[in-house]
Amino acid sequence: SAVISQKPSRDICQRGTSLTIQCQVDSQVTMMFWYRQQPGQSLTLIATANQGSEATYESGFVIDKFPISRPNLTFSTLTVSNMSPEDSSIYLCSVEGFGRSYNEQFFGPGTRLTVL
Amino acid sequence: DAKTTQPPSMDCAEGRAANLPCNHSTISGNEYVYWYRQIHSQGPQYIIHGLKNNETNEMASLIITEDRKSSTLILPHATLRDTAVYYCIVRVGSGGSNYKLTFGKGTLLTVNP
Repeated sequence: SAVISQKPSRDICQRGTSLTIQCQVDSQVTMMFWYRQQPGQSLTLIATANQGSEATYESGFVIDKFPISRPNLTFSTLTVSNMSPEDSSIYLCSVEGFGRSYNEQFFGPGTRLTVL
Repeated sequence: DAKTTQPPSMDCAEGRAANLPCNHSTISGNEYVYWYRQIHSQGPQYIIHGLKNNETNEMASLIITEDRKSSTLILPHATLRDTAVYYCIVRVGSGGSNYKLTFGKGTLLTVNP
């Protein structure tokens, strides 16, 4: 499986500020995704990070609120903009499409965000 | 919406086999059955996936019924560290037009000493 790291692992932020989360993979991967897990809930896909083009967002998520970058095949960032307490969640990146694990999606450890 | 149905919780004694059921009666011919688990406060962990044949790896076995409308994940010798939420997900393989993983509520498996 791929080794996926996320920075920061956790943060506490003030309302109205923005936070950028980084996701780094040790292998070149075809697809990278960003998920959100609100307290006590299951995971919800925010968007697919496309290398060299704009991300593909799921219903209910918009680029102005969650801008995403993917400059190469091993790195992506998710920014949570103009945060409110409702944005308090665990944010996870996942990757798919590398080596012999082509049909398997692997997840990073997550970034636990608390907005005050 | 998730296309699978799982019991909300199950208990299992340590050292015994844990059998986690999943119903996916609307599965399409090109959709795989995936299983993930999430131990508290960690990212989901891939366990196994299959299309129509039974599959086994170092973590678990996946038994898919002949009509593919249901499946069972088997942890042969459950340990306390297997306590987690287990998610059953159906999805096309990589390269398909709808490759996203849609997580339902899953089954909370509690392994008891």
